[in-house]
Amino acid sequence: QKEVEQNSGPLSVPEGAIASLNCTYSDRGSQSFFWYRQYSGKSPELIMSIYSNGDKEDGRFTAQLNKASQYVSLLIRDSQPSDSATYLCAVNIYNNAGNMLTFGGGTRLMVKP
Amino acid sequence: KAGVTQTPRYLIKTRGQQVTLSCSPISGHRSVSWYQQTPGQGLQFLFEYFSETQRNKGNFPGRFSGRQFSNSRSEMNVSTLELGDSALYLCASSRTLGSGNTIYFGEGSWLTVV
Repeated sequence: QKEVEQNSGPLSVPEGAIASLNCTYSDRGSQSFFWYRQYSGKSPELIMSIYSNGDKEDGRFTAQLNKASQYVSLLIRDSQPSDSATYLCAVNIYNNAGNMLTFGGGTRLMVKP
Repeated sequence: KAGVTQTPRYLIKTRGQQVTLSCSPISGHRSVSWYQQTPGQGLQFLFEYFSETQRNKGNFPGRFSGRQFSNSRSEMNVSTLELGDSALYLCASSRTLGSGNTIYFGEGSWLTVV
C-alpha cells in the first residue's frame, strides 16, 4: 500500500477560484509535511511546509494539517493559469538515521482562463 | 543565495555504461539526498548523506551508489546502466537532520539510457 496518497486529477478550476488539493498518509510517525509544485520538465519547487496541526498561510497558499486524521491539504486562492502544474505532497518520516521524503503520485491542477 | 546545483543537466548513455552525477548543496546545508523520478514510479528516495556518511538508503539495487565529500558536495554513481534507469535524478539538500528541516531540490539531471 502506497504510504502517501493523492488524487491524480486532473483537477480543473476556473481562474480566480479556490483550488483544493488533498493528501493522506499512512505512517503516524510522520513529522514534516511539504507541498511541492512541479511544472512539466522541471524539478519540484517547494511551495509550503507544515509541521504542526492547523493552518499555515503564505500569500495565496494555505496548508492544513490534521495528524489525527492523517491528512494534509493545500488551498490555492485566486487560482491563476500559471498555477497549472502537478502538486506533490511529501512526508518526512524522520528516523534515527536521517531524513527520507515519501511522495504521493501528485495531483495535476489545470486552471482555465 | 545559490540553490542546489546539479551537473550535468542532461546526458545520454549507452546500456552497460556507468554514469556519475554531481550535486552541490545550498551553502551551509550538510544533508544531501538523492531521488529518482520516472513517469511510472514517481519520485523515489535513493539515499541520504550527512557528514560524509550514508544515513538512509532506499530500495534500489547495488548498482546505485553515492558518496559525500567533506565540503558536503555529493556524487551518485550508477553502474551497468539499464534502459529502465532513464529518469530525472534529483538532489535535495537540508541544513541538518531531524524534523522541521526544509528540503530543497536542485534542477535535476536528465539521464537517457539508449
